[in-house]
Amino acid sequence: EVQLVESGGGLVQPGGSLRLSCSASGFTFSSYWMSWVRQAPGKGLEWVANIKEDGSTIYFVDSVKGRFTISRDNAKNSLYLQMNSLRAEDTAVYYCARRGAAVDYWGQGTLVTVSS
Amino acid sequence: EIVMTQSPATLSVSPGERATLSCRASQSVSSNLVWYQQKPGQAPRLLIYGASTRATGIPARFSGSASGTEFTLTISSLQSEDFAVYYCQQYNDWPYTFGQGTKLEIK
Repeated sequence: EVQLVESGGGLVQPGGSLRLSCSASGFTFSSYWMSWVRQAPGKGLEWVANIKEDGSTIYFVDSVKGRFTISRDNAKNSLYLQMNSLRAEDTAVYYCARRGAAVDYWGQGTLVTVSS
Repeated sequence: EIVMTQSPATLSVSPGERATLSCRASQSVSSNLVWYQQKPGQAPRLLIYGASTRATGIPARFSGSASGTEFTLTISSLQSEDFAVYYCQQYNDWPYTFGQGTKLEIK
């Protein structure tokens, strides 16, 4: 059974940093693009970033470029999102997602709240 | 950036009836379009990819179609578990973008 479990969310002040992790199981992690997708409270979905199977290709949405970093450790079946210079508008549930285009499996999400 | 526009924002339909949800792309996305269903407090669930191919385990009452930049999700006979928010999303060009969602509610 495919499972994606996010961790690392929480309350952080504007300008602060947070690192999200996603632990994957039930499939060959190293064979899939992986993504982070977020959803602000009561709002729609926004694709944040994705990363190729070997980490060689990465895409970010413009609103997070230069502030967020996506990485993966295929030996640990884990995906990461390093978030720096956080803003109030980054407040959202962050989902770890399998595949880089049409997501077939989603984690349950981790809430990031940016507030003073 | 490709803008995806869904209509209507809210659709009220009775159980057993047909629901038709629309999604329009601001430019061509070919058939690189998916539909997701999201229920309160849950992650989205993939329904349709490639504009018209049902994902694994999705009931046959869900179908997708396309005409140019216009996409349609049809639910042929609504069940109680189908009342949710539906999102379309294009994956033709980065950044991949979602529509704002259609809330399907019980009439």
